[in-house]
Amino acid sequence: QKEVEQDPGPLSVPEGAIVSLNCTYSNSAFQYFMWYRQYSRKGPELLMYTYSSGNKEDGRFTAQVDKSSKYISLFIRDSQPSDSATYLCAMTGNNNDMRFGAGTRLTVKP
Amino acid sequence: DVKVTQSSRYLVKRTGEKVFLECVQDMDHENMFWYRQDPGLGLRLIYFSYDVKMKEKGDIPEGYSVSREKKERFSLILESASTNQTSMYLCASSSLAEAFFGQGTRLTVV
Repeated sequence: QKEVEQDPGPLSVPEGAIVSLNCTYSNSAFQYFMWYRQYSRKGPELLMYTYSSGNKEDGRFTAQVDKSSKYISLFIRDSQPSDSATYLCAMTGNNNDMRFGAGTRLTVKP
Repeated sequence: DVKVTQSSRYLVKRTGEKVFLECVQDMDHENMFWYRQDPGLGLRLIYFSYDVKMKEKGDIPEGYSVSREKKERFSLILESASTNQTSMYLCASSSLAEAFFGQGTRLTVV
């Protein structure tokens, strides 16, 4: 079993839709939970991160972490065509390693 | 502007060659990582380092080694390149949860 599971999609939504992206994990030592966005032929870029359980909002993006269920989510409100990219969840703990999910490819259609 | 620089964008090497991939960061980060990215598999951790001369195996270290002689530089070495090592290689450096990635090196082994 992988430490971090993420549905690779692809996911296609119309412009303006609410997008929900999710990951599950198995290692209870993870403490920081991140979401990265990767455009084609580029390296991933950090969107936002959360420490431990809870919610964090940044503009149209909301990250949620439920450590009891080992489940994290990213919500994108009022999605735009420019949001079309691959979204990767990532996690790290005390031992400094950083593990990623498979990435979900999102397309937002005008 | 923070930067992680990988020495090559594209490389073509022959089976059996020794291959060096170089990565330099200018953010004074303790942690550095090497991943490979393959379609449907996301980013898989090869090796990481949390300090100079320190290294830890990730999930897929077989066939690879690393070197970190200076804080800003982390090198990935393919001792004897094989065709199954054809992939996109991504270097990252991080401070806690925020990792910065290079542009990636697309390595083809023929």
